[in-house]
Amino acid sequence: EIVLTQSPGTLSLSPGERATLSCRASQSISSSSLAWYQQKSGQAPRLLIYGASNRATGIPDRFSGSGSGTDFTLTISRLEPEDFAVYYCQQYGSSSWTFGQGTKVEIK
Amino acid sequence: QVQLQESGPGLVKPSQTLSLTCTVSGASISSHGDYWTWVRQHPGKGLEWIGYIHYSGTTYYNPSLKSRVTISVDTSRNQFSLNLNSVTAADTAVYYCAKGGYSSAAYWGQGTLVTVSS
Repeated sequence: EIVLTQSPGTLSLSPGERATLSCRASQSISSSSLAWYQQKSGQAPRLLIYGASNRATGIPDRFSGSGSGTDFTLTISRLEPEDFAVYYCQQYGSSSWTFGQGTKVEIK
Repeated sequence: QVQLQESGPGLVKPSQTLSLTCTVSGASISSHGDYWTWVRQHPGKGLEWIGYIHYSGTTYYNPSLKSRVTISVDTSRNQFSLNLNSVTAADTAVYYCAKGGYSSAAYWGQGTLVTVSS
């Protein structure tokens, strides 16, 4: 099973700042198989990025994804108040999904 | 627009079977490219993939749950279902159904809390 490790666990930032979230896989994965989700308290996850770098429908361009192999990054260029939430990376491999443990982006 | 809605008992006794249904609107469950997914989230914890099904009936399950899980599809009702047997308190979670491809899910239900308790 591929394990995804996200860092940091919590990111304390102010609105307008840049957020950089990391997702590291225990073995190399296809870029086409890496996704990022945002989850706000009491809500379902929302797909942000698929295929490592493709924004899902309706996702603002301040969200971007990059990376390959074992290291992937989600960047939020300028944090808006509605961006404070928990973010999960997720991979598909060997007909199975795994999620990272999540990074909480909180208001500083 | 695409909407998914989970339904089923909110309370299940230990050792019994947890059964949930996801009703899909705004999309056909027979769509060739779509996979119909179940994900759960233990209280205050992260996301755990349970498995998914293609309308053709092909299923894929989380290896850690495979022995207890069955996902099925009812094309006539545009629904898919989750059965998880021999439940324990460790199966208490919010259960989400979702629609997407084989590698990610773009549409999610609101989630339903299932508590396992006697």
